[in-house]
Amino acid sequence: GEDVEQSLFLSVREGDSSVINCTYTDSSSTYLYWYKQEPGAGLQLLTYIFSNMDMKQDQRLTVLLNKKDKHLSLRIADTQTGDSAIYFCAETKSNDYKLSFGAGTTVTVRA
Amino acid sequence: DAGVIQSPRHEVTEMGQEVTLRCKPISGHDYLFWYRQTMMRGLELLIYFNNNVPIDDSGMPEDRFSAKMPNASFSTLKIQPSEPRDSAVYFCASSFRERQFFGPGTRLTVL
Repeated sequence: GEDVEQSLFLSVREGDSSVINCTYTDSSSTYLYWYKQEPGAGLQLLTYIFSNMDMKQDQRLTVLLNKKDKHLSLRIADTQTGDSAIYFCAETKSNDYKLSFGAGTTVTVRA
Repeated sequence: DAGVIQSPRHEVTEMGQEVTLRCKPISGHDYLFWYRQTMMRGLELLIYFNNNVPIDDSGMPEDRFSAKMPNASFSTLKIQPSEPRDSAVYFCASSFRERQFFGPGTRLTVL
């Protein structure tokens, strides 16, 4: 089965908060990441969290990590049309920096 | 900082031809990764290097694929001979420790 799982789609109204969820299976994960991919572009590193933290905030972005449940979430406050993209959750293991990605969540922001 | 540079951005070739994709990592980064992205399989890690040495090539699909990193500022991914099922977007990424940055990708179409 997949190491990292995400729901495939999320639709949100402009100005509302978006919450994108991710679950992972490996308890030895050391870093967990959120990347953003816009059409025709590469992946942009949005934020990441070390596994001994439970929250990280960076402007409109809040990452929550529940290590017991192996659950990671990304909250985007005041969602804008420019936030429409695919968001990937990813993890690295304890012995290297190679990333394992989820399938990505397509976020659509409607007016 | 120019970021990770990949060339070409688009490549269209015929089945059986040799294809070479190029990558220049961010200066000072000691890890380099090659990924492939398709609709069916999502993002797959093909191979990665640490200090120019290949560490894990278990994701390379077949012997038709090869990658080299002759120095810290250049890497190539070669497919010979190419097949239609190799059509995908190929990303190069580089990192220093846990922060991994992606290039814009090469969109490969094999006819």
